[in-house]
Amino acid sequence: DAGVTQSPTHLIKTRGQQVTLRCSPKSGHDTVSWYQQALGQGPQFIFQYYEEEERQRGNFPDRFSGHQFPNYSSELNVNALLLGDSALYLCASSPGEAEQYFGPGTRLTVT
Amino acid sequence: QQQVKQSPQSLIVQKGGISIINCAYENTAFDYFPWYQQFPGKGPALLIAIRPDVSEKKEGRFTISFNKSAKQFSLHIMDSQPGDSATYFCAASGFLGNQFYFGTGTSLTVIP
Repeated sequence: DAGVTQSPTHLIKTRGQQVTLRCSPKSGHDTVSWYQQALGQGPQFIFQYYEEEERQRGNFPDRFSGHQFPNYSSELNVNALLLGDSALYLCASSPGEAEQYFGPGTRLTVT
Repeated sequence: QQQVKQSPQSLIVQKGGISIINCAYENTAFDYFPWYQQFPGKGPALLIAIRPDVSEKKEGRFTISFNKSAKQFSLHIMDSQPGDSATYFCAASGFLGNQFYFGTGTSLTVIP
């Protein structure tokens, strides 16, 4: 049984560009959450998707948007990239309201 | 405002010793407190979690102690091993599945 998978592993973008990160949840999990983890910091909640709807959102600007597909996979989109968006982006899945399991993350570098 | 405060920032322990990491929270609506272990280049992995209706939970060498009145909880790693060297994060949420608020992490080094 595959765990949470994310793609790509690493990504380098230029300021002002747009990026899309992808997440496939663990089998049987219908809820996906996204987190941003800056170097040396704990993960910060971006938003959570359930039944293809954004259920909850953290303190992130509208440049951060997402989507959940009928198969529960999810995308995180970031527009107008800033240097400060450089971070490890983590996806976590859970079977409804239960423990969250994290993927390996996507390392985004903005130059 | 940091919802969950974690200490120490780093910890060095001898092999076989006890590692203790502490966390404190303010929001009394939190009712789920997990601990995660993260190795470099990997995502956080759930170690152990507790609800406030119990004061202690043990799984193998890992124990969570919970003090509801003090709004504090801690992770104890017994018989620490070099393979335990990693960054540990405490977290809290209002209910399972809700957003998690993470501490700032503790870098644990276990020396042989």
